[in-house]
Amino acid sequence: QITLKESGPTLVTPSQTLTLTCTFSGFSLTTGAVGVGWIRQPPGKALEWLSLIYWDEDKRYRPSLQSRLTITKDTSKNQVVLTMTNMDPVDTATYYCARFIGLAGTIDYFDFWGQGTPVTVSS
Amino acid sequence: DIQMTQSPSSLSTSVGDRVTITCRASQTINRYLNWYQHKPGRAPRLLIYKTSNLQYGVPSRFSGSGSGAEFTLTISSLQPEDFATYYCQQSISLPITFGPGTRLEIK
Repeated sequence: QITLKESGPTLVTPSQTLTLTCTFSGFSLTTGAVGVGWIRQPPGKALEWLSLIYWDEDKRYRPSLQSRLTITKDTSKNQVVLTMTNMDPVDTATYYCARFIGLAGTIDYFDFWGQGTPVTVSS
Repeated sequence: DIQMTQSPSSLSTSVGDRVTITCRASQTINRYLNWYQHKPGRAPRLLIYKTSNLQYGVPSRFSGSGSGAEFTLTISSLQPEDFATYYCQQSISLPITFGPGTRLEIK
């Protein structure tokens, strides 16, 4: 059974750095053609892709946010961590992690998702 | 970036209805189109991948079709558990982009 769960702060003050952790089970990030991505959904808005990390450490970022995002993985802990610097109220959203199937440079699909973690950016 | 649009944005429907949702891409994406179902407070669920492939465990009343830049998701007979928001997503190139969603509401 594959599961993913997001964790992190629910409230962040503007200009702070957000650190989110995705803890997963049922698969390994050492398996080829597998990876974990982050997607967010601002209140009342559509899903927005943020970042991907592949089994081979290849990393991709949303171009408009690339300077603020860092994604890493710890295969021994089955975790993927996303950091986003200089948080702003417009970054208020529910943040999801999801497993994807795909090869370097793109994905095929996100087949398993976490339930999401809400993050509010406010002073 | 490839822009995705969906129509309708919302639909008031009844149990047993046949529902079709359309997704259009701003350029050809071949068949790299996926569909997800999302209910409030729940994890999004993959329904269809690469246009027409039913994800394991998804009921056969869901089907997908299309090619090029226009795609459809069809629910042949709506069930109570199908009231949710549906998103399409292109996976031909980064950045990955999603459609704005189609919300199915109970009439």
